[in-house]
Amino acid sequence: DAKTTQPTSMDCAEGRAANLPCNHSTISGNEYVYWYRQIHSQGPQYIIHGLKNNETNEMASLIITEDRKSSTLILPHATLRDTAVYYCIVRVARQGAQKLVFGQGTRLTINP
Amino acid sequence: KAGVTQTPRYLIKTRGQQVTLSCSPISGHRSVSWYQQTPGQGLQFLFEYFSETQRNKGNFPGRFSGRQFSNSRSEMNVSTLELGDSALYLCASSAGQALNTEAFFGQGTRLTVV
Repeated sequence: DAKTTQPTSMDCAEGRAANLPCNHSTISGNEYVYWYRQIHSQGPQYIIHGLKNNETNEMASLIITEDRKSSTLILPHATLRDTAVYYCIVRVARQGAQKLVFGQGTRLTINP
Repeated sequence: KAGVTQTPRYLIKTRGQQVTLSCSPISGHRSVSWYQQTPGQGLQFLFEYFSETQRNKGNFPGRFSGRQFSNSRSEMNVSTLELGDSALYLCASSAGQALNTEAFFGQGTRLTVV
């Protein structure tokens, strides 16, 4: 399974952009990068995903490097409600099925 | 559109008992996956069902089993419960199996084994 590496924790001031990095150097050509977040004891929430182009939705932007070995999730104007554990996941296909392999994620704390 | 619904939300069982958890996916979604989350091991994949067939299985003992019904609802069963089975069990549904298909999670069932 493609492995991802994320910082254990990060802090960001409320109202500023939060930039969460992720390394996925073993990613294969057809594998997507997904981001989820989990607020304490709730189910993970889907944020965004991408293959090789940058993506943006109402929650965040995803910047994937040209070699696809790393990506950055950007929360443009962080609020206190964005405090959560953020997971960067490479979605792989095995035998026609897919699964999400979660690492330890980045614990993002938004400070007032 | 309703999200993924898991029942019950909380459950307390005794060692040796068995338990069945239920997951109703988003309407129209045919793929359901199950995950276990514990403080020590994090989020771990249990199994995935698509069109009533198990398509993938994680590294869990045979005490953990599941099934999917024709309406895509899924159940997972844990027999002979152990203290270590105490965890948050999460279900995720997706419309299909393509790699660019998002999976959406329910709020989970918190199982406590005493």
